Amino acid sequence: EAQVTQNPRYLITVTGKKLTVTCSQNMNHEYMSWYRQDPGLGLRQIYYSMNVEVTDKGDVPEGYKVSRKEKRNFPLILESPSPNQTSLYFCASSLSATGANQPQHFGDGTRLSIL
Amino acid sequence: AQKVTQAQTEISVVEKEDVTLDCVYETRDTTYYLFWYKQPPSGELVFLIRRNSFDEQNEISGRYSWNFQKSTSSFNFTITASQVVDSAVYFCALGPNAGKSTFGDGTTLTVKP
Repeated sequence: EAQVTQNPRYLITVTGKKLTVTCSQNMNHEYMSWYRQDPGLGLRQIYYSMNVEVTDKGDVPEGYKVSRKEKRNFPLILESPSPNQTSLYFCASSLSATGANQPQHFGDGTRLSIL
Repeated sequence: AQKVTQAQTEISVVEKEDVTLDCVYETRDTTYYLFWYKQPPSGELVFLIRRNSFDEQNEISGRYSWNFQKSTSSFNFTITASQVVDSAVYFCALGPNAGKSTFGDGTTLTVKP
């Protein structure tokens, strides 16, 4: 089944404790992206990647890191999480490298609570 | 910078009513791509439709229809004869284009029986 898989689905942690949210897609998609969803703010793009070893900042990259060492994986790293990073996170992938003209396929979301 | 505005934060209708969700966008790109996604109460994001900037043909798919007007920078979405299962948050999005993607804040649609 074609899908984007995020783990964990839920996480409660404390300020400053490094965490990684994994994202993997099995559709051989070139483009991958991370978003955060907060009430009333829609989805805001954190980082995106148009190819292996190619990543770039979205609109809200502060406090996050990503890597794209393999085509299928695009982990989101919070080196020192803070309470303002409490949010619902979505990973997405798309067929074309730029994402252009192709719908994004989303994971089921990861709900992070940082105390 | 690009921007997507969904002015309607919440809409409530009674089943079988028609409802239109508005989307206005801003971009400096001459070629761009617009999308609508649905997020039902279960939380997943589901792709509904895409439009290219050079394709202003409107589309009807079952109870759904879309009206893309470049002159007014709008890409509105209409549900005809709404059903309770249409209750969801609907997002209009611009891009990705060269990687950047911008979503509107979403419109929460509640369809009451």
